Amino acid sequence: GAGVSQTPSNKVTEKGKYVELRCDPISGHTALYWYRQSLGQGPEFLIYFQGTGAADDSGLPNDRFFAVRPEGSVSTLKIQRTERGDSAVYLCASSPYPGGTYNEQFFGPGTRLTVL
Amino acid sequence: GENVEQHPSTLSVQEGDSAVIKCTYSDSASNYFPWYKQELGKGPQLIIDIRSNVGEKKDQRIAVTLNKTAKHFSLHITETQPEDSAVYFCATNRDSNYQLIWGAGTKLIIKP
Repeated sequence: GAGVSQTPSNKVTEKGKYVELRCDPISGHTALYWYRQSLGQGPEFLIYFQGTGAADDSGLPNDRFFAVRPEGSVSTLKIQRTERGDSAVYLCASSPYPGGTYNEQFFGPGTRLTVL
Repeated sequence: GENVEQHPSTLSVQEGDSAVIKCTYSDSASNYFPWYKQELGKGPQLIIDIRSNVGEKKDQRIAVTLNKTAKHFSLHITETQPEDSAVYFCATNRDSNYQLIWGAGTKLIIKP
């Protein structure tokens, strides 16, 4: 079956602009995660959704970052007033319900964001 | 907070030889230890994981060992093949929940 998909695969924007990154999780997966991966580093947790609600947004770096999942499926990560330091690969992952400690997280290919 | 250290950062082995990657962690409450493989331009893919009630787990050429007392776990790949070349990440969960904390990664190079 289809895996996690993310669009766009690449996004180049100018400093100060607004961007939206989309994630389509595996059908039926109720848990959805966003991570950010800088070059040469492991993924860094941003936010976790269980269904429609953000169960944990403690990883969002500041209030320029926001994510939604209005129908409990597709999620959008929104970044306002982008800065050059936001440049990274943004990864989305999903896992099946029930959520919990041992649920394998299935990752999408990521969106490479470049802020000029 | 939780910290995961991974070594080495780069590992080059001859095809057919074994490769070992090691990670240490700081949170004694961690109880889930996955290993992910990431190929260029792709997202990480789970290759093996281990729970805290198990000391060792094997899946064909891949094995993981866990020492909870010493707070370290290792990935072992035997009979390495060219397709094993990738970046490998260890991870563990924070405060016994879903949030994964990742190592910095090991670039594994298999020399023909």
